[in-house]
Amino acid sequence: NAGVTQTPKFQVLKTGQSMTLQCAQDMNHNSMYWYRQDPGMGLRLIYYSASEGTTDKGEVPNGYNVSRLNKREFSLRLESAAPSQTSVYFCAMSRDRGQGTEAFFGQGTRLTVV
Amino acid sequence: DQQVKQNSPSLSVQEGRISILNCDYTNSMFDYFLWYKKYPAEGPTFLISISSIKDKNEDGRFTVFLNKSAKHLSLHIVPSQPGDSAVYFCAASAYGTASKLTFGTGTRLQVTL
Repeated sequence: NAGVTQTPKFQVLKTGQSMTLQCAQDMNHNSMYWYRQDPGMGLRLIYYSASEGTTDKGEVPNGYNVSRLNKREFSLRLESAAPSQTSVYFCAMSRDRGQGTEAFFGQGTRLTVV
Repeated sequence: DQQVKQNSPSLSVQEGRISILNCDYTNSMFDYFLWYKKYPAEGPTFLISISSIKDKNEDGRFTVFLNKSAKHLSLHIVPSQPGDSAVYFCAASAYGTASKLTFGTGTRLQVTL
């Protein structure tokens, strides 16, 4: 998973607490994404950013906010964590569509909300 | 509504034999399909892809077949090796959607000795 760095790798939150998941890429790609993976549900898109300064909702955006700070960084914020947000979160990046659309993923952040 | 479906949660294959993983989709706008491999505690790793203008793409031991009329694709691994044991995700994207991927639920492949 070279190229995408996620921090932290593990986190336990209490219900109602807030936190920010950090993601940085070093391949100068325009597009970045946040997915969550839950058992039996595959990966679902939370938010994405097609370029610096732009963000859009994905399939499951409720309870999350994002920030594309610059071309390298794309953070995901949980303002008031809920047990339903217990999941493994993956950040990804991809080249522009015309160059192929395979996304490259980070190693994930395992979040538990108690 | 699951737009990408992998109906087999698990598959067990003997080493050296062929592994066939299946995927169905419902969205006619999908025009690019990918397979990802995932080991525990790691992120998904891109394996192979196919554009809708093709019906087959090969990369070493891995071949992906696309049947657009049936909205079905499959991944063939020949010969299967113990290191292939992982969860395999099928994914799809539609042109003009900023490369957003829609994933299936995954198939856990176990290659036995």
